[in-house]
Amino acid sequence: GQQLNQSPQSMFIQEGEDVSMNCTSSSIFNTWLWYKQDPGEGPVLLIALYKAGELTSNGRLTAQFGITRKDSFLNISASIPSDVGIYFCAGQLDQAGTALIFGKGTTLSVSS
Amino acid sequence: DGGITQSPKYLFRKEGQNVTLSCEQNLNHDAMYWYRQDPGQGLRLIYYSQIVNDFQKGDIAEGYSVSREKKESFPLTVTSAQKNPTAFYLCASSIDPGTGELFFGEGSRLTVL
Repeated sequence: GQQLNQSPQSMFIQEGEDVSMNCTSSSIFNTWLWYKQDPGEGPVLLIALYKAGELTSNGRLTAQFGITRKDSFLNISASIPSDVGIYFCAGQLDQAGTALIFGKGTTLSVSS
Repeated sequence: DGGITQSPKYLFRKEGQNVTLSCEQNLNHDAMYWYRQDPGQGLRLIYYSQIVNDFQKGDIAEGYSVSREKKESFPLTVTSAQKNPTAFYLCASSIDPGTGELFFGEGSRLTVL
């Protein structure tokens, strides 16, 4: 099936640092979303992007829908310990009735 | 409170046994999904249903079966034909599949002994 290339696979940072992760694909998407999963829980939606070039913020999180519609990035500013978890990008192809495709995730560790 | 409830949270089964994972939602969502999560593999779609009495195979449907007899319920059966069933299973629902906005349950961890 279709694939999203998410990087980096893991990150180890100090509290207070900024974080950046991204997803790319060879296919065109009409929607990009970012989810966060805490250990042992289900993912929770952080940000949804519906328009090429769109830049959206949610608190310390900022995400952008790439202008080519083939990529997206997520930035976290001034990280805190509760930012720990797995971040997934997800995309919806530009076809009616198709389900979301998820990246393999970026595992974030934050040391205080 | 509205939400999605998965049960059981942890399940152990012997090889050769079928097992059914429950997923119930009271969000009045039409669409429901089952994903499988393995370490480092992300979320892979098993089955999804956009309406009662209809469902579609995802990328890894072999060895699994589902039913959608009620809007609120979308149980997943892991059959003995699934060669590597040990995994974390996630159920999700959506009010509008076109948005990609999914609400997930807390997951069920299945371990085959």
